[in-house]
Amino acid sequence: EAQVTQNPRYLITVTGKKLTVTCSQNMNHEYMSWYRQDPGLGLRQIYYSMNVEVTDKGDVPEGYKVSRKEKRNFPLILESPSPNQTSLYFCASSFGGRAGEQFFGPGTRLTVL
Amino acid sequence: DQQVKQNSPSLSVQEGRISILNCDYTNSMFDYFLWYKKYPAEGPTFLISISSIKDKNEDGRFTVFLNKSAKHLSLHIVPSQPGDSAVYFCAANTGFQKLVFGTGTRLLVSP
Repeated sequence: EAQVTQNPRYLITVTGKKLTVTCSQNMNHEYMSWYRQDPGLGLRQIYYSMNVEVTDKGDVPEGYKVSRKEKRNFPLILESPSPNQTSLYFCASSFGGRAGEQFFGPGTRLTVL
Repeated sequence: DQQVKQNSPSLSVQEGRISILNCDYTNSMFDYFLWYKKYPAEGPTFLISISSIKDKNEDGRFTVFLNKSAKHLSLHIVPSQPGDSAVYFCAANTGFQKLVFGTGTRLLVSP
């Protein structure tokens, strides 16, 4: 089954404790992206990757890191999480169609205390 | 600065009636517009898209209309069904696969 998977689905942590949210897709997509969803703000892009070893900042990259060492994986790293990073996070991938249609993972709900 | 705006946070309609969700944008250079549907505890799923050179695209019960002069698009769902109850996001493709999303409209379809 074609899908984007994220782990963990739920995470509660404390300020300053490094964490990684994994994302994997099995569709051989070149483009992958991370978004956060916050009430009243919709989905905002954090980072994106056009291909292996090619990443760039989205609209809200502060406090986040990413890497793209393999085509299928695109982990999101929070080196020193803060409470303002409490949010719902989505990973997405795209086959590069003209419309830019992206396939989303199920989401990771992160709470930083 | 919100480039894509959905000014109605919620919409309630009765089953069988038409649902109309609206979206406004600011940048006339956007080349594609997309609608996504999101159920609780799931990721957004793609619904329908429209090219900026078209004014209408239809897929079953879903039709998207684009008015470029007004920088406005709308999603029509006819007839609405209870299973359509979800949050709907409008998005614009800014180029190079980058999507900019609106804030979403929660649709409730009552039996």
